[in-house]
Amino acid sequence: DAGVIQSPRHEVTEMGQEVTLRCKPISGHDYLFWYRQTMMRGLELLIYFNNNVPIDDSGMPEDRFSAKMPNASFSTLKIQPSEPRDSAVYFCASSLTGKGNTEAFFGQGTRLTVV
Amino acid sequence: AQSVAQPEDQVNVAEGNPLTVKCTYSVSGNPYLFWYVQYPNRGLQFLLKYITGDNLVKGSYGFEAEFNKSQTSFHLKKPSALVSDSALYFCAVRDSGRGYSTLTFGKGTMLLVSP
Repeated sequence: DAGVIQSPRHEVTEMGQEVTLRCKPISGHDYLFWYRQTMMRGLELLIYFNNNVPIDDSGMPEDRFSAKMPNASFSTLKIQPSEPRDSAVYFCASSLTGKGNTEAFFGQGTRLTVV
Repeated sequence: AQSVAQPEDQVNVAEGNPLTVKCTYSVSGNPYLFWYVQYPNRGLQFLLKYITGDNLVKGSYGFEAEFNKSQTSFHLKKPSALVSDSALYFCAVRDSGRGYSTLTFGKGTMLLVSP
């Protein structure tokens, strides 16, 4: 398996524009997570899905952020409108149910810069 | 609530010397504990995990970690450091007693191995 695949790897956009980040989890994994990493706040969980259903989105910072998982092999994180403070590295991760004893596998991340 | 503390922002060690990266945790039930490593411009890579059983867990790249329930610690160790071990290390915990719960990550410890 190619692992968790994220696109794009880098995104530079102007403030106010819509940004869409994409993720393909590992085949067969039933949990998908979106994280944000910044120097100030470290690694933050934004939202996670189980069997394509959003379970907890309490980490989503504002209504400008939304995430979808239309099927088991694809998820998106959208920011509309984007702001400079959204600049960060966004990671997608996936894992298998296993009573919680299974590790999560991370993608390479998308580095977002909002100017 | 579950939490992880990595008390050191940075650990410096000379190549060939043993290294320790510290981690303490707090959960209401029994912990599932994980270590991840992040190289520059890469995603987090799984190193090792403690689920149950032997308190000394061996993982990738010669790393090991020791689970100490009385001290609520899960320190990462390696007998002989390599320059290529220089990276950001994250400890994470999941509470085994809450059905499925998400991973909670520490803020990370930068390991710098000098030649």
